[in-house]
Amino acid sequence: EAGVVQSPRYKIIEKKQPVAFWCNPISGHNTLYWYLQNLGQGPELLIRYENEEAVDDSQLPKDRFSAERLKGVDSTLKIQPAELGDSAVYLCASSLVSPANTGELFFGEGSRLTVL
Amino acid sequence: LAKTTQPISMDSYEGQEVNITCSHNNIATNDYITWYQQFPSQGPRFIIQGYKTKVTNEVASLFIPADRKSSTLSLPRVSLSDTAVYYCLVAADKLIFGTGTRLQVFP
Repeated sequence: EAGVVQSPRYKIIEKKQPVAFWCNPISGHNTLYWYLQNLGQGPELLIRYENEEAVDDSQLPKDRFSAERLKGVDSTLKIQPAELGDSAVYLCASSLVSPANTGELFFGEGSRLTVL
Repeated sequence: LAKTTQPISMDSYEGQEVNITCSHNNIATNDYITWYQQFPSQGPRFIIQGYKTKVTNEVASLFIPADRKSSTLSLPRVSLSDTAVYYCLVAADKLIFGTGTRLQVFP
């Protein structure tokens, strides 16, 4: 069974440019997460989807970040415009159901963003 | 929200047992405790999960005392490939990762 697929794996852009990351979750997984991970830190939740509904986006910087999950499957995370501080790894994860109790997430390999 | 505290780093040698303890004083009644492992340039990977007492799988054991305010991940006979960062999470709607414990295994 295929795992969570993310693309691109690496992206280098100049500040003020836009960038988008794509995530394909494990088939049948209703819950999808986007996390941001800075070097030496643990992942930080940006947004959580239940099917196509964003049920928790309280940590998403909405002035420059946006996300969508059309048809409750694939998801895209966009940054426009990017800032130097956005350099990080963006991780996508999915789970079969809302992990209120189980907490088992399946992560992709991440998209490493470098903003110059 | 339950917050977790774990050691920043630990060192071990191949073949030894490693125990990583996590504190979660504010754990809620319906929260599970989950541990993840992360290698460089990869996303975290689920290791083990438990609610109380002891859970064991093919890679690790998880010990949870009766008050559930802490938990200990036990890795038997570690190898070099166990060098990674280990995260303790208390499951809830928000899955909050701390800074994790960086385990370094030496030959």
